[in-house]
Amino acid sequence: DAGVIQSPRHEVTEMGQEVTLRCKPISGHDYLFWYRQTMMRGLELLIYFNNNVPIDDSGMPEDRFSAKMPNASFSTLKIQPSEPRDSAVYFCASSSQTRGEQYFGPGTRLTVT
Amino acid sequence: GDSVTQMEGPVTLSEEAFLTINCTYTATGYPSLFWYVQYPGEGLQLLLKATKADDKGSNKGFEATYRKETTSFHLEKGSVQVSDSAVYFCAQSGGGTSYGKLTFGQGTILTVHP
Repeated sequence: DAGVIQSPRHEVTEMGQEVTLRCKPISGHDYLFWYRQTMMRGLELLIYFNNNVPIDDSGMPEDRFSAKMPNASFSTLKIQPSEPRDSAVYFCASSSQTRGEQYFGPGTRLTVT
Repeated sequence: GDSVTQMEGPVTLSEEAFLTINCTYTATGYPSLFWYVQYPGEGLQLLLKATKADDKGSNKGFEATYRKETTSFHLEKGSVQVSDSAVYFCAQSGGGTSYGKLTFGQGTILTVHP
């Protein structure tokens, strides 16, 4: 299996621009998670989906952040407009209800200047 | 609510030293417990897990035992290598309304010197 795939791996953008991060979960997994990691705040859960339906978005920091999962093999996390404080590494992870452990993608390093 | 507390880091050891990273949890019900490792520039990788009390998870020389009586899941390795330098995260699975979700500790940075 290819594992969780994220794109792009690196993104540099200017403040005010729209940023879209993409994730392809492991085939057959029915949970998908979006995390953000920074030195200051550590690893934070932003939102997670079960069978393509958002279950808990309480970690989404502001209305500037939105996430979608149009089908079982694709999810996006969008930031519009982006701000310098959004600079972080964003991870996507997926899991199967029957096993519980999450499998992480390699992350997208976002820099907003 | 559910939480995970890891020992403060960073931890610095010499090669072949014994490693312990403490982890305790609070939970309603009986969660599964996990250790993840993150190497520089990479995502988190599952290192080992245990799903019920007294289970021992093990992988790559690391092991941890699910202790219900002390609500702990300490990570140990008998002889560390330079290649073990990484950040280690303890985590527990949620139950009830947070089923499917993992609660992570803050992470412990391990540096191993030759």
